[in-house]
This record gives sequence, structure tokens and C-alpha cells, in this order.
Amino acid sequence: EVQLVESGGGLVKPGGSLRLSCAASGFTFSRYNMNWVRQAPGKGLEWVSSFSSSSSHLDYADSVKGRFTISRDNAKNSLYLQMNSLRAEDTAVYYCAREDCSSTSCYPGAFDIWGQGTMVTVSS
Amino acid sequence: QSALTQPASVSGSPGQSITISCTGTSSDVGGYNYVSWYQQHPGKAPKLMIYDVSNRPSGVSNRFSGTKSGNTASLIISGLQAEDEADYYCNSYTSSSTYVFGTGTKVTVL
Repeated sequence: EVQLVESGGGLVKPGGSLRLSCAASGFTFSRYNMNWVRQAPGKGLEWVSSFSSSSSHLDYADSVKGRFTISRDNAKNSLYLQMNSLRAEDTAVYYCAREDCSSTSCYPGAFDIWGQGTMVTVSS
Repeated sequence: QSALTQPASVSGSPGQSITISCTGTSSDVGGYNYVSWYQQHPGKAPKLMIYDVSNRPSGVSNRFSGTKSGNTASLIISGLQAEDEADYYCNSYTSSSTYVFGTGTKVTVL
């Protein structure tokens, strides 16, 4: 079964750090671009970061640039998000999402597999 | 990058068709054919319904279709069913090599 499972969420004080993990199974993880998307309580979806399959391209939303770092370990089929200098506005459910790809190309923005999400709460 | 603009809510009766708009700029929706749509039921992860403006993933009902004109993309749901009641979000690739989601639309089946 194709699956993504996030972990690492929790309660952290403003200015603190947290590292999220996303474990992939059921597909060849190294062939896919991977993303983090978040959703604040009662709010809409916000794209956070992406990491290309070739490990050559990383991108971040302006709201997290300089504070968050995305990484991946293809040997462990895992995606990570290191979050530093956390703020109250970073409070959200964080989803790991796979970008759909064929054997020859990927489909930008086609996030076809999502995890169940992990909750991050930034509060004193 | 500002969120794409969607109507807050759209409603329709069972069997009717509804359209959800998604308005951006020439730097996102208007500049690329990389618009996708997501359905999200309460407490659940989003589900991909449309990608590349008008393509349906395997398993998604053909009652869902997508179009684009200029800086505005649209999701059309025909033959509205009770199970279609959910939040819907558009998403677009941008000129900054990032992605931007829409503000979200709550669909109510009357």
C-alpha cells in the first residue's frame, strides 16, 4: 500500500525548534518530488516547501524561508522538515505530500498521495 | 505570494452543476497549465481531483472537470451528490518555482 506517515509534531514554545519526519512506503521514494503543506486550525492549505527527486532543487514559501529546512534520505525513504525560530503563526497540521510523476516526467502541483498530518502547536 | 482567490462558499441541489472559480495572476494561474484541485472532507487529508488544469487522476469521478481562461481556473462539479459536500482548494505553480493554494471554497449540497 502506498503510504506516507508523518511524525514529530507537538507543543513547542515560540522561538523553539522541531523536526518533522515523513516515512514513505509502497513506492520508489527516490523517484518522486516531495512536499510539505500545512493547514492552520480552521484555515486553508498553505504550501511550505518542496524537494525534488534529483535532490537538486529545493524551494520554500516566503513565510518560512530562512527558518525551515527541508531534507530527504532516500536510503531511509524519509522526508524531513527542520523548523527553527518557530512562531505562533506556524501552528498548523503539517502534511507530507507526494508529487505525481510518470516514468518520464512529473506533474507540477499534482500532490497525489498525502499523509494523515502531524499537529504542531507553538505556544507559551 | 498571495493566495489565489476563490469564493468562500458555493451551494447547489442534488443533480445540479456548480462551478468554483480560482483567480490568480499571470505569474501563476495565467502563466502555466499547472493548476490542480483538491477536495477535503472535515478532519481528512486533501484528495487530488484535477491536475494540469483539466486532467483527472485514476479513480476520480468524471463528474469533476476543470478549465482555465486567462488568469482564472474553474472546477465544475456536475450531477452534484451529497458526498461532494466538502472544502475545495485550487493550487497553481508560480513563476518563483513555488506553489500557491487558493483561499478555499465550502461546497454545500442543499
